[in-house]
Amino acid sequence: DTGVSQNPRHKITKRGQNVTFRCDPISEHNRLYWYRQTLGQGPEFLTYFQNEAQLEKSRLLSDRFSAERPKGSFSTLEIQRTEQGDSAMYLCASSPTGTGDTDTQYFGPGTRLTVL
Amino acid sequence: AQKVTQAQTEISVVEKEDVTLDCVYETRDTTYYLFWYKQPPSGELVFLIRRNSFDEQNEISGRYSWNFQKSTSSFNFTITASQVVDSAVYFCALSDTGTYKYIFGTGTRLKVLA
Repeated sequence: DTGVSQNPRHKITKRGQNVTFRCDPISEHNRLYWYRQTLGQGPEFLTYFQNEAQLEKSRLLSDRFSAERPKGSFSTLEIQRTEQGDSAMYLCASSPTGTGDTDTQYFGPGTRLTVL
Repeated sequence: AQKVTQAQTEISVVEKEDVTLDCVYETRDTTYYLFWYKQPPSGELVFLIRRNSFDEQNEISGRYSWNFQKSTSSFNFTITASQVVDSAVYFCALSDTGTYKYIFGTGTRLKVLA
């Protein structure tokens, strides 16, 4: 059983550059979530997809952030004009629908972003 | 507003001691889910347990046990006979019934010393 995968695992970039992260959920999981985790804090919700529809975005997701999930499979999270404050771990999770386990999210290993 | 509080920032115990991690939550929903996740140094969040708001039965899984009390809005986690491999950050989370997004606490770092 393949879990949630995320690429790259680490990304170092210079301030002002654009970066894109990819998440591949567990196959047949309809819901996909993005969270951001800074040092010493719990993950904070960024956005959520059900299939290809983006159903909610946090106020944390500024105009520089965009997420997509074409065809309801993998998802990408892009950050434009990165700032040092964007340095964090970006976590992706997926959950199934239509079963008794619908509320349980399974997380990937995360992408650690460092903005210099 | 929904909120999860983990007041214990860091706990250190000696191997084989029992340890309890506290979690207090706030929600206006009558139906909700509570979760515990473990985050080892590798960074990946590992699912431990899910509990729905209608099920107040305590649960035991090996050395792990969970105590859910709606009257005090608490969902505490006990590790019996702790081991060095239990060293990690543990997060308690509450799910939003609308979008199923999680609200996490700030985590408790557990250090188990040999």
